[in-house]
Order: sequence, then structure tokens, then C-alpha cells
Amino acid sequence: GAGVSQSPRYKVTKRGQDVALRCDPISGHVSLYWYRQALGQGPEFLTYFNYEAQQDKSGLPNDRFSAERPEGSISTLTIQRTEQRDSAMYRCASSSGWDTQYFGPGTRLTVL
Amino acid sequence: GENVEQHPSTLSVQEGDSAVIKCTYSDSASNYFPWYKQELGKRPQLIIDIRSNVGEKKDQRIAVTLNKTAKHFSLHITETQPEDSAVYFCAASINSGGSNYKLTFGKGTLLTVNP
Repeated sequence: GAGVSQSPRYKVTKRGQDVALRCDPISGHVSLYWYRQALGQGPEFLTYFNYEAQQDKSGLPNDRFSAERPEGSISTLTIQRTEQRDSAMYRCASSSGWDTQYFGPGTRLTVL
Repeated sequence: GENVEQHPSTLSVQEGDSAVIKCTYSDSASNYFPWYKQELGKRPQLIIDIRSNVGEKKDQRIAVTLNKTAKHFSLHITETQPEDSAVYFCAASINSGGSNYKLTFGKGTLLTVNP
């Protein structure tokens, strides 16, 4: 079946602009996670949903970052007033619960 | 919060040799330990995982061992092949209430298998 998908795959934006990153999890997966991966580093947790409920947002760097999953399926990570330090690979993962987290291909965000 | 240390950061072996990557974790409540392989430009992919009620797990050429007392787990790859070359990440999480929680990753090990 289809894996986790993310869009766009690449996003270049100017400092100060808002961006929205989309994640489409594996069908039926109740848990959805957002991570950020710097070059040469492991993924770093941002936030996590069970169904539509945001269970933990402790990894979001500041209040410019927010995420939603209104219908318990697709999720959007929004970064407002982007800064150059926000440049990174943003990865989404999904799982069926007590199970493997499957990662998406990521969105490479570049803030100029 | 959880902290995962991973060693070595780079590892170079000859084809056919074994490779061992070691990780330690800080939170004794962690009970799920996956290993991911990430090839250049690709997404991380799970290769093996272990839960805290098991001390060792093997899948063909790959094995993982867990020492809960020492808060230490290791990945063993035998008979390495060039296609094993990649970055390997260990991770730890707390699984509670039937739901897998956030993963805390190590910094990764770049494994190079020389033909």
C-alpha cells in the first residue's frame, strides 16, 4: 500500500513568510508525528497526534510553529514568520499505535 | 527528558566483516528501541527493533541486544555487504497505554563497507 507522503518535497521561501507543510499518513494509522532533521543528525521530535488530538507539542521550538490534524488523518505543520534557522528537513511519521513509526520522504525547507 | 548517545560516529569495515554500533539511554522508563537505516537522500527505514521484555532479537544478518540494567543496546551486522553502507540511527521511546510515544534518536553512525 501507499506509504507516508509529504508535500511539497522542496520549499524555498523568504524570511518572514509563512509556510504550510503537509503530511498524508498511511491509511488507518492513528498516530502521527512531526520531526525535524538537520543535515547529518537524527530526527528531532516536534509534536505528536493520536487521531485528531495533539498529545504532545513539547518539541515545537517556539510559538511560530503550530500543527493540526483536524480530521485525524492529514496533518499540517505551519511555520509563521520564517527565519533562516528554520531551514531543515521536516519529516512526518505515522504508526498504528504500538508499532513501527514509518517515515515520509520529508519536506526540505530553505529560508532565504 | 530522554538522552540517547550513539557510538561510533563513523565506522569503516571490510566486506564480510562484522559491524557493531552501541547506544546508551538515560530514561529507565524507555521500553522500545528501534534501529533505522538511512541511505543518502532517502527516508529513515526501520531495520529491527526490540522491546524491553526481550534481551536479544535476530533477523538474518542483523541482531540487536538490550541490557536494561546498564541502559545499553547494540546493533550487530554480520557478513557485511557494500549495500549495508548507510547512516544508522538508534532510538528510544516510552510505549504507554498501547501507544508508541515520541522517538529520541542518537546522532547516527556512518557505516562504510569497503568491497
